[in-house]
Amino acid sequence: DTGVSQNPRHKITKRGQNVTFRCDPISEHNRLYWYRQTLGQGPEFLTYFQNEAQLEKSRLLSDRFSAERPKGSFSTLEIQRTEQGDSAMYLCASSLGTAKGYTFGSGTRLTVV
Amino acid sequence: DQQVKQNSPSLSVQEGRISILNCDYTNSMFDYFLWYKKYPAEGPTFLISISSIKDKNEDGRFTVFLNKSAKHLSLHIVPSQPGDSAVYFCAASVDGGSQGNLIFGKGTKLSVKP
Repeated sequence: DTGVSQNPRHKITKRGQNVTFRCDPISEHNRLYWYRQTLGQGPEFLTYFQNEAQLEKSRLLSDRFSAERPKGSFSTLEIQRTEQGDSAMYLCASSLGTAKGYTFGSGTRLTVV
Repeated sequence: DQQVKQNSPSLSVQEGRISILNCDYTNSMFDYFLWYKKYPAEGPTFLISISSIKDKNEDGRFTVFLNKSAKHLSLHIVPSQPGDSAVYFCAASVDGGSQGNLIFGKGTKLSVKP
């Protein structure tokens, strides 16, 4: 297992289109997190899963955003009706249940034109 | 409202000297603090952490100091190496980090010159 994998690495989409990102965590990690990072800012928490249960969602996660983690393995983050303000780096991380063990993926950079 | 603040967007130091990166926080409920390092086109990488019951934690060239009364922590890198050039993020959490939800600062870009 080589770490947290995110696909695609880059995505350019037109405003109003739907996009979906995938995250494959480290296999033995039971927790999976999604963060968003915009230019000049630190990562901002969006949501996290423990196994297949989505335990917390940030107020940043509007109703256009939905995340799933079927069977507690990989996760998808979907953004519907994308807006230019959604342009950001979307980071996925996984851990064994403590913040210390966070391993981030390389992220998916979304550009909405 | 920024709960974790890194007021220096950038820092430049000479190779072999000490790098000191600073971080302030406002939420007194934070009890676990972490530093992450990020290279371009990569995700952040965990560097070192400290619990609020301690005031210092050391790991090789990296030492984190915590001053709870001042709500301030700092990361010391000694000696600094060109490979340390990266963006450093300070992060904080509650419940000893068990919830996993981290609050990040905006980062400080460190440049170590040969």
